[in-house]
Amino acid sequence: GENVEQHPSTLSVQEGDSAVIKCTYSDSASNYFPWYKQELGKRPQLIIDIRSNVGEKKDQRIAVTLNKTAKHFSLHITETQPEDSAVYFCAASRDLNYGGSQGNLIFGKGTKLSVKP
Amino acid sequence: DVKVTQSSRYLVKRTGEKVFLECVQDMDHENMFWYRQDPGLGLRLIYFSYDVKMKEKGDIPEGYSVSREKKERFSLILESASTNQTSMYLCASRVGGPIYEQYFGPGTRLTVT
Repeated sequence: GENVEQHPSTLSVQEGDSAVIKCTYSDSASNYFPWYKQELGKRPQLIIDIRSNVGEKKDQRIAVTLNKTAKHFSLHITETQPEDSAVYFCAASRDLNYGGSQGNLIFGKGTKLSVKP
Repeated sequence: DVKVTQSSRYLVKRTGEKVFLECVQDMDHENMFWYRQDPGLGLRLIYFSYDVKMKEKGDIPEGYSVSREKKERFSLILESASTNQTSMYLCASRVGGPIYEQYFGPGTRLTVT
């Protein structure tokens, strides 16, 4: 089955620096890659996602890149701020049209990002 | 605005007790999920349901069961709670079909003593 590896497990940066979190996946049929942010004591929330027909997507200070050949995707946060401190989860899944459990998200183990003022 | 709610934020139960965790979503979502979150292990899928009365095992179903009698409600049941089931439990829902975003509930922190 699908496996998603996420690195690093912890990341500490100075405010204003950039942060990069990387994920690799094993199932070459995966075509949807979301990123979730979980602030302390709160629920995970989707911050950005990318589908396999796109190589890069940006939303203000965050961007996601996808390399389908190498089966890896990355989250980039520029000009980090203290409010970016959280646990970030990557995930991968196949198209729901496959049916059954193959439409479920497989999550990485998470990266705890700390942004120091 | 999608809302996913869980019956309790914190719960303390004794070993051997039967425990019910309830999840309700108000957006008519077809798909519902139960995850367990432990430090360093990420989000692990316990059970999921793609429709009313339907349920399928996830990656770690042992010791758990579920019930989905109504579309908006998905219950997780611990038949006989054990200390290794102490964890954060997260419910999620999403629209069935090609729209993928999953909306999570606030979580239930369960402690089994």
